[in-house]
Amino acid sequence: GAVVSQHPSWVICKSGTSVKIECRSLDFQATTMFWYRQFPKQSLMLMATSNEGSKATYEQGVEKDKFLINHASLTLSTLTVTSAHPEDSSFYICSARDSTYEQYFGPGTRLTVT
Amino acid sequence: GENVEQHPSTLSVQEGDSAVIKCTYSDSASNYFPWYKQELGKGPQLIIDIRSNVGEKKDQRIAVTLNKTAKHFSLHITETQPEDSAVYFCAATSYRGSTLGRLYFGRGTQLTVWP
Repeated sequence: GAVVSQHPSWVICKSGTSVKIECRSLDFQATTMFWYRQFPKQSLMLMATSNEGSKATYEQGVEKDKFLINHASLTLSTLTVTSAHPEDSSFYICSARDSTYEQYFGPGTRLTVT
Repeated sequence: GENVEQHPSTLSVQEGDSAVIKCTYSDSASNYFPWYKQELGKGPQLIIDIRSNVGEKKDQRIAVTLNKTAKHFSLHITETQPEDSAVYFCAATSYRGSTLGRLYFGRGTQLTVWP
């Protein structure tokens, strides 16, 4: 099946710094990519939807200036958490969709802000 | 928007038994229903899906049924094995209109298979 990668798999950063997470579709072109956040023992919470070459659409309550999303190509989307704080610590997961219905998820990135 | 309810939240079965997880949805426009398996510390993995023009789909030990009239769909796992232990999420979406295929997830079911 289709493969989606994320980098890094885990990251620890200090409060006030920024961190970038990459999401790549390895063997297909992703017209749409999604970014999720997941807290322990909870479901996935959609943060934003991005289409290649256009601005991301953010869900209500998600600060677009804090979570910067760039869908630069059909195989790469990045999420930058700016001025990170401990409450931003979470498991961030991306997914990618091609021209069919299927949506494939990356392995996730564990972010810890100290 | 769409609302997906999933039950039970936890499910424990003996190895070899069957497991059934049920979901309901609210939006009759939803036409695609995937199921994901998520192991601890990993991303969700698509295990099976069904579209609204089909009532049942089977893949080896896994099957999904859909009842559009009642707006519910179920995941059936037969001959469970310890490696089936994980959190399972159902989801629903519509690819008509402007939703761009946004998935609406259930809250998840923690399945534990005891050897």
